[in-house]
Amino acid sequence: KAGVTQTPRYLIKTRGQQVTLSCSPISGHRSVSWYQQTPGQGLQFLFEYFSETQRNKGNFPGRFSGRQFSNSRSEMNVSTLELGDSALYLCASSSGTEWMTGELFFGEGSRLTVL
Amino acid sequence: EDQVTQSPEALRLQEGESSSLNCSYTVSGLRGLFWYRQDPGKGPEFLFTLYSAGEEKEKERLKATLTKKESFLHITAPKPEDSATYLCAVLDPNNAGNMLTFGGGTRLMVKP
Repeated sequence: KAGVTQTPRYLIKTRGQQVTLSCSPISGHRSVSWYQQTPGQGLQFLFEYFSETQRNKGNFPGRFSGRQFSNSRSEMNVSTLELGDSALYLCASSSGTEWMTGELFFGEGSRLTVL
Repeated sequence: EDQVTQSPEALRLQEGESSSLNCSYTVSGLRGLFWYRQDPGKGPEFLFTLYSAGEEKEKERLKATLTKKESFLHITAPKPEDSATYLCAVLDPNNAGNMLTFGGGTRLMVKP
């Protein structure tokens, strides 16, 4: 069974640009969550999608957005990049039930560097 | 606001030297506490879920326990391959879905 796939794995952008990251969850998983990981703040929740609907949103500015498609694949977008957006962005999927389980399957992440 | 604090931040052990990692939490109405392992350059890997005080879960050399205020991850006779960052997290009790609040992690190094 294929795991969670994130693309691209590495990318470098400059301030003011925007970036789109992609995540393909495990087959059959309907929940996709996004987390930002930095050395200073650790792992912080961005948002979660379930059946194409945003179910939860963390405390991040509106520059961070996401969406989920009918095949459960998800994308997140960061507009007007700032230096502080440099981080590892992790996508996680969980089994296709409506109830929370907390058992998340993470991808290897997309490492974004903003210059 | 939910808070999850892990200690120590880093721990060095000799192979075979048992120890415990701590995760203390402040959350009203705990709906689940989770332990994850993260290797460098990888995403976290799920280890355990604990739901109620007194619950214990074991997997190989790891045993997780839960009280009303904290959780411990006991590592018995660790091996170098147990070296990783161990993360605990709690499920947000005020939101449906899988919204986790993570602690800062404990970086474990086991030397042969």
